Amino acid sequence: EDKVVQSPLSLVVHEGDTVTLNCSYEVTNFRSLLWYKQEKKAPTFLFMLTSSGIEKKSGRLSSILDKKELSSILNITATQTGDSAIYLCAVDNNAGNMLTFGGGTRLMVKP
Amino acid sequence: NAGVTQTPKFRVLKTGQSMTLLCAQDMNHEYMYWYRQDPGMGLRLIHYSVGEGTTAKGEVPDGYNVSRLKKQNFLLGLESAAPSQTSVYFCASSYQGQGLYEQYFGPGTRLTVT
Repeated sequence: EDKVVQSPLSLVVHEGDTVTLNCSYEVTNFRSLLWYKQEKKAPTFLFMLTSSGIEKKSGRLSSILDKKELSSILNITATQTGDSAIYLCAVDNNAGNMLTFGGGTRLMVKP
Repeated sequence: NAGVTQTPKFRVLKTGQSMTLLCAQDMNHEYMYWYRQDPGMGLRLIHYSVGEGTTAKGEVPDGYNVSRLKKQNFLLGLESAAPSQTSVYFCASSYQGQGLYEQYFGPGTRLTVT
């Protein structure tokens, strides 16, 4: 059974801090790993990672995949209150484009 | 483009009642999905469809049925609602093909079964 585990479950930081969110996975036929941000409603796409060691970056957010360690991290630098959200990690096991999601990390950024 | 839309946004049912949730997408996506989200459990796949007229079971299909009669619509039905089906339901869609495509999500439906 495919499994995705995220840590920590929740995190409270102050504006300006840097945070690192973790995602580890066990899947039978890995194709890609995706990060989503979920504020009040629908998850919105952040990154898709397929190759180890190649960092994806968007503004203050960046992510990297380690296929050897079966894990990924999502970094957010100079956090802002608008970064407060649930961050979801999901893995595509190359079976009908299905995703297995982790439980999410709830990030709260205080002013 | 409206993207992915869901109706209704909220619903309260009594145990044993039935209802249908409607998902519509205007991006001409082949693949569509229904998820449920419960606190601390991320998103779990209920059913999905890889094309018009086809459906398949996901991780937690029991108690739900789906239909994909038109490419742009994916319906999720609850025949006899139970309190365990209280959840937030998300629909998603994606492209098919050789490339790797992310899933686009609708705004969700909050369902409470009493």
